[in-house]
Amino acid sequence: GDSVTQMEGPVTLSEEAFLTINCTYTATGYPSLFWYVQYPGEGLQLLLKATKADDKGSNKGFEATYRKETTSFHLEKGSVQVSDSAVYFCALSRTNAGKSTFGDGTTLTVKP
Amino acid sequence: DAGITQSPRYKITETGRQVTLMCHQTWSHSYMFWYRQDLGHGLRLIYYSAAADITDKGEVPDGYVVSRSKTENFPLTLESATRSQTSVYFCASSLRDRSPLSSYEQYFGPGTRLTVT
Repeated sequence: GDSVTQMEGPVTLSEEAFLTINCTYTATGYPSLFWYVQYPGEGLQLLLKATKADDKGSNKGFEATYRKETTSFHLEKGSVQVSDSAVYFCALSRTNAGKSTFGDGTTLTVKP
Repeated sequence: DAGITQSPRYKITETGRQVTLMCHQTWSHSYMFWYRQDLGHGLRLIYYSAAADITDKGEVPDGYVVSRSKTENFPLTLESATRSQTSVYFCASSLRDRSPLSSYEQYFGPGTRLTVT
């Protein structure tokens, strides 16, 4: 079945540091890939997505590229801020499948 | 209110009681989902629904019941609450789009924090 494996946390960075959170997936066909973010006390919200190979999703300074050859969708940001402290979830969905498969989440803490 | 709402936001109940968590969405999305989130377990799918009157089990359905008589509502009932059901519960919805590039991103509610004593 489908699965998503993401970098274990927690991750602690200083403000303005470079962020990478690794995500790899296993799925048949050509899934869509997502990063969701969950701020403390809130539900998940979509951060970015990519629907086909080599697509780059971007939002709020975060980027991730759909790499089919390595089945990866790593999240990156060049300069993190304290306000980026949250839990980040990598996920996939297959066309016409409806359900999504989520990774376990990676907690990011950014210190001033 | 537009979007997806959950009620109550916080609930404390006793072991053995029946509890219903409500979820309402205003987008007419076909898909709706219930997850629980526990420390160390990430998100676990309890039940989901592809349309009104169509529901299916997820990863951890035992002890839960769902119904979906209207597209916009998807209540989750704990028939006899147990302490192991203490958790944060999230409802989500997704648009059913048959186009080739449909992506099925999910839209989450704010969550219900349930404590079973």
